[in-house]
Formats: sequence, structure tokens, C-alpha cells
Amino acid sequence: QSVLTQPPSASGTPGQRVTISCSGSSSNIGSNTVSWYQQLPGTAPKLLIYSNNQRPSGVPARFSGSKSGTSASLAISGLQSEDEADYYCAAWDDSLNGYVFGTGTKVTVL
Amino acid sequence: EVQLVESGGGLIQPGGSLRLSCAASGFTVSTNYMSWVRQAPGKGLEWVSVIYSGGTTYYADSVKGRFTLSRDNSKNTLYLQMSSLRADDTAVYYCARDRGYSYFDCWGQGTLVTVSS
Repeated sequence: QSVLTQPPSASGTPGQRVTISCSGSSSNIGSNTVSWYQQLPGTAPKLLIYSNNQRPSGVPARFSGSKSGTSASLAISGLQSEDEADYYCAAWDDSLNGYVFGTGTKVTVL
Repeated sequence: EVQLVESGGGLIQPGGSLRLSCAASGFTVSTNYMSWVRQAPGKGLEWVSVIYSGGTTYYADSVKGRFTLSRDNSKNTLYLQMSSLRADDTAVYYCARDRGYSYFDCWGQGTLVTVSS
């Protein structure tokens, strides 16, 4: 059951900036950090952003994250063809005592 | 190198049981939080269960009472015992290293469980 809401799709041409939103509540995003995952077709998810805005080693600087209140967003600057994938946000939920994921956003590079 | 390798998936009839394994290398399972996350065909990610380093476990409501998460420290392996399986348990099951109420920094390749008669 997805508790975090994301737009189903986003698109842009190479070089453009694309932003994906993630809306939650006070029990998840409002009180815990947000992470983002990239899932290329047929592969396992990969950590893209953690602790709202931190990039793991090896993740390009064109990926950035932010959080405000009960919402978060992922931005991809300078969109590239290899960025075409599904993106998910996630956060711990204090009420559920478990993680909740976003509904997922498919990014298409036009 | 940190690596997770799942195994044990397959085709199982409704009501049946199955045990998934997740073998870790490059780090120690018992000193980390570890989670299982699943993905039904064509659907999004769903968190299933977590085991803390101290051994406490939590489960999603959808699997509570039917799934049991455990680990074998001598084998550095995580297990997910699944029983009373239903068609809506059909999914790719991933194990992941859990950084504690925050994020998953390492994922296995996943193992497919298909519940069907």
C-alpha cells in the first residue's frame, strides 16, 4: 500500500530540468527523512538520494533532493537519455512502524 | 564489495509456504538492520518487513501473521518464511540493507515468487 503520492509520469527533452514531487503526511515525511530510488527497466532499485538531499558516492550531481513540511521533491537537471526510469520516494512512517513508498513516477526522455 | 543475493523464489500454490534466503557479503547482517521489499508485476515498491540488529522485527499489515523474518548469523544470511500464501503475494522480493528508519543503501537482484494454482 503506497502512502506517498507521486505523479505517475514526467518527461523532458535532453538537457531539461525535471522535478518529481512526493506528498506524504506528518507521520512519515513530516517527521522522518526522505530517500529516493531509481529503477531502470528489469533491474533492482538503486539509492539515489538519502536524508532528504544527500547523494551517495557515484550518483551524478544532476540529481538533487529537497524536503519541506510533509512534501519532498527530486530534481534532475540536464536530463539524459539514461535517466529514463521509474523513480520512487520513501520514508519511515511512525504510525505504521514501517516504511512507506511513493506510487512511483516514470520519467521519459523525449 | 557489499552484495546481497536472494534465492528461493518459485511457483507455489495458494495456501502454500516458501522460504526466501538473502546471502550477504562484504558486511555483517547481524549488526545491521535488514528489510525485505516486494514489487508485484507492473506495480510499485512495497515494504514487507524489517529486522533490527537486536532481533526485533516489524511487518507490513498485509503480511503480518503469515511471514516471519529471521537470520542465521553463522551464515550471514537473512530469511523470509512465507506461509498461507495468496495470489496477491506474487511479486519480486528484494532484500535490502536498511540504514535504520531512513533508507536502503544496498539491494539484492530480487527473486520472483508466483502464487498460482
